Amino acid sequence: QVQLMQSGAEVKTPGASVKVSCKASGYTFPSYGIAWVRQAPGQGLEWMGWISAYVANTKEAQKFQGRVIMTTDTSTSTAYMELRSLRSDDTAVYYCARWTGKPFFDLWGRGTLVTVSS
Amino acid sequence: ETVMTQSPATLSVSPGERAILSCRASQFISSNLAWYQQKPGLAPRLLIYDASTRATGIPARFSGSGAGTEFTLTISSLQSEDFAVYYCQQYNNWPSLTFGGGTKVEIK
Repeated sequence: QVQLMQSGAEVKTPGASVKVSCKASGYTFPSYGIAWVRQAPGQGLEWMGWISAYVANTKEAQKFQGRVIMTTDTSTSTAYMELRSLRSDDTAVYYCARWTGKPFFDLWGRGTLVTVSS
Repeated sequence: ETVMTQSPATLSVSPGERAILSCRASQFISSNLAWYQQKPGLAPRLLIYDASTRATGIPARFSGSGAGTEFTLTISSLQSEDFAVYYCQQYNNWPSLTFGGGTKVEIK
């Protein structure tokens, strides 16, 4: 079954970091990229960045440059997104999504809720 | 940054009726536009890419049109499972990808 399985919900304090995982199955992981998109409660979608699963090139949205780190482990078909220096407005559901080759997303994980609260 | 504006914010439609959703780009994006459907508590689902190409498994009642700055998603005959929020996304100005604010299609 083609799917992306994400790690569970996290609660963090301001200033901390969070690392979300996204394990791919049912397809050839290196053949696609992985994008990260977040959605604050009751809000729309916001693109954060992309990583090539094959060569690990990355591209971040300007807003997240210097604060987000995206990596992959091809041996386990898993992508990771680490967001540092968390603030309360980083509270959101974080999705990983498969990148087809053009920058749109044909397969999504179920999302990981990250709550930032003191 | 290319701003994507969707209208209306909410669309009330009766089952079986046609729904027309609009998406406007603040600058030219050619046909580099995708549409997604999102139901409460679930991840988005790709419906349309390249402005008018249906994604795999998407029913024919969903169609996309437009180019340049004006785009439309049409649902020809709304089914109960189509009531959801719909987002457009431009990918012309890589690496800046932006989504519209969404249109909620609700039961009238």
